[in-house]
Amino acid sequence: GAVVSQHPSRVICKSGTSVKIECRSLDFQATTMFWYRQFPKKSLMLMATSNEGSKATYEQGVEKDKFLINHASLTLSTLTVTSAHPEDSSFYICSARSLDSGTSYEQYFGPGTRLTVT
Amino acid sequence: AQSVTQLDSQVPVFEEAPVELRCNYSSSVSVYLFWYVQYPNQGLQLLLKYLSGSTLVKGINGFEAEFNKSQTSFHLRKPSVHISDTAEYFCAAGLGGSARQLTFGSGTQLTVLP
Repeated sequence: GAVVSQHPSRVICKSGTSVKIECRSLDFQATTMFWYRQFPKKSLMLMATSNEGSKATYEQGVEKDKFLINHASLTLSTLTVTSAHPEDSSFYICSARSLDSGTSYEQYFGPGTRLTVT
Repeated sequence: AQSVTQLDSQVPVFEEAPVELRCNYSSSVSVYLFWYVQYPNQGLQLLLKYLSGSTLVKGINGFEAEFNKSQTSFHLRKPSVHISDTAEYFCAAGLGGSARQLTFGSGTQLTVLP
């Protein structure tokens, strides 16, 4: 149980285009989903926290107009990188907290999406 | 500021030897602690977690960790490692916040040598 999927797993796009990454909780409902960015050989950097039906909360320094997050349902959140540039190339990971988790901090992680902007 | 520290960025160890990966946190409130493993180009897999109760926590793949409140530590141990344990290991803590975010350490690359 507690499986989170991401699609696509790998994407290459041209500079200036937009890319959408989907994060789905397959067998549970997620009250909260988190989006992280990971640079090579670095830790996870929290980009934003999203709750179903409300606006995402972005971490300091993350451009909300560039990284659009939509949490349309209890099982789906999307991250759209708008007008992508080579410096946006990274590994993006989403995670989800279960509706049934109560006060738990436990998050279930997706497999990640490798974005390369050429 | 509340934080999670993994002092060792790289830990090489020979196969079948014991290993300890260190994790310290700073927090004045109750914490929830986690260890995750990440294989190349993959997401994070939960190894074990401490929420409350017994301070010795057993996880998957033969790993265990001990919560030490006085030393604010949550070190990960395995008595005998395998080549397949080579991966990046992240310690994380729930240190507060209305959304219950996790704060991650910088990671430790465990390399098991034959």
